[in-house]
Amino acid sequence: KAGVTQTPRYLIKTRGQQVTLSCSPISGHRSVSWYQQTPGQGLQFLFEYFSETQRNKGNFPGRFSGRQFSNSRSEMNVSTLELGDSALYLCASSWGTYTEAFFGQGTRLTVV
Amino acid sequence: AQTVTQSQPEMSVQEAETVTLSCTYDTSESDYYLFWYKQPPSRQMILVIRQEAYKQQNATENRFSVNFQKAAKSFSLKISDSQLGDAAMYFCAYRSGANSKLTFGKGITLSVRP
Repeated sequence: KAGVTQTPRYLIKTRGQQVTLSCSPISGHRSVSWYQQTPGQGLQFLFEYFSETQRNKGNFPGRFSGRQFSNSRSEMNVSTLELGDSALYLCASSWGTYTEAFFGQGTRLTVV
Repeated sequence: AQTVTQSQPEMSVQEAETVTLSCTYDTSESDYYLFWYKQPPSRQMILVIRQEAYKQQNATENRFSVNFQKAAKSFSLKISDSQLGDAAMYFCAYRSGANSKLTFGKGITLSVRP
């Protein structure tokens, strides 16, 4: 059974640009959550999608957005990138609310 | 809001010995779940063990076990017979029974001495 797949693994972007990250969940999983990991703030929840609907949202500015497709694949978009957006972005999928979350290997975003 | 605290930033253990990683949390909810995740240098978060708040019995997974003290809001992880492959960052995490959001502690870096 394939795990959670995140693409790309590494990204370098310039301040002011926008970026789209992709996450393919484990087959059959309907919930996809996104987390930002930085040395200073640790792991912070961005948002969760379930059956194409955003079900929960963390405390991030509107520059951070996401969506989920009918096949449960999810994308996360960050517009007008700032240096502080440099982080490891982790995606996690689960079958439902009460089941374990399985994480992908993350996308390392560097903003220069 | 729920908070998770891991007060020890680093710990070290001799191979084959036992180590305990501490975690405390704060919540007013009665329905919740607690987890320990391992993050090796590859950066992929791996679920180590899970504990449902309504269960009094402490969870165990092979060499990993927890000491869940609900009244004290404490959730420590014990690793027995430590192996070199156990070296990683370990995160304690809380999840409400109402949604899938995980709240993580700051993590602890565990090193294993051969």
